[in-house]
Amino acid sequence: ETGVTQTPRHLVMGMTNKKSLKCEQHLGHNAMYWYKQSAKKPLELMFVYSLEERVENNSVPSRFSPECPNSSHLFLHLHTLQPEDSALYLCASSQARTSGRINEQFFGPGTRLTVL
Amino acid sequence: KNQVEQSPQSLIILEGKNCTLQCNYTVSPFSNLRWYKQDTGRGPVSLTIMTFSENTKSNGRYTATLDADTKQSSLHITASQLSDSASYICVVSAKTSYDKVIFGPGTSLSVIP
Repeated sequence: ETGVTQTPRHLVMGMTNKKSLKCEQHLGHNAMYWYKQSAKKPLELMFVYSLEERVENNSVPSRFSPECPNSSHLFLHLHTLQPEDSALYLCASSQARTSGRINEQFFGPGTRLTVL
Repeated sequence: KNQVEQSPQSLIILEGKNCTLQCNYTVSPFSNLRWYKQDTGRGPVSLTIMTFSENTKSNGRYTATLDADTKQSSLHITASQLSDSASYICVVSAKTSYDKVIFGPGTSLSVIP
């Protein structure tokens, strides 16, 4: 679909499980984003990494832990989640902002997460 | 407070008809405004991007307008097709060191035969 891939596409987990979501971008970008999209609600920004440094953490509970080992990969580690965490988790990438340029985000297909 | 509002919340139109979706925003400092199309359960796909100095941008049957003075934008879809059924999201980008975007709630469009 795009140059941003996400795995797995679907995940069902219990509240005591530990799992990780993976995102990989093949666009040469250096900023990566995690979003949460719950049913009938706008996308919510969770984390932003720019040049491999976390630049934004939008008051996300500690049961979500991001990791950005390099500019092409982004992980979201999940542990002791709640049923209300069930949602579509989207990854995106862009170039870090440079003066005068629009560096739009390209989205992956998302991981549909269900917490039982 | 940075905010993006959209109307209508949902819309049903007949195949072949035109429609217009609205977006109002209060985002500062403003960088650019984008319209995305999101199919159910998929990631959003960019349709148009407009900066402060642009007041219209077309992409095939999609035409977006921007009035930076009133902070309003519209997305006009002509000759709708069944495949246009999706959520259309207005996204406004603020001027920061990374691409800080504020998403609107989206308009759910259903095109019926």
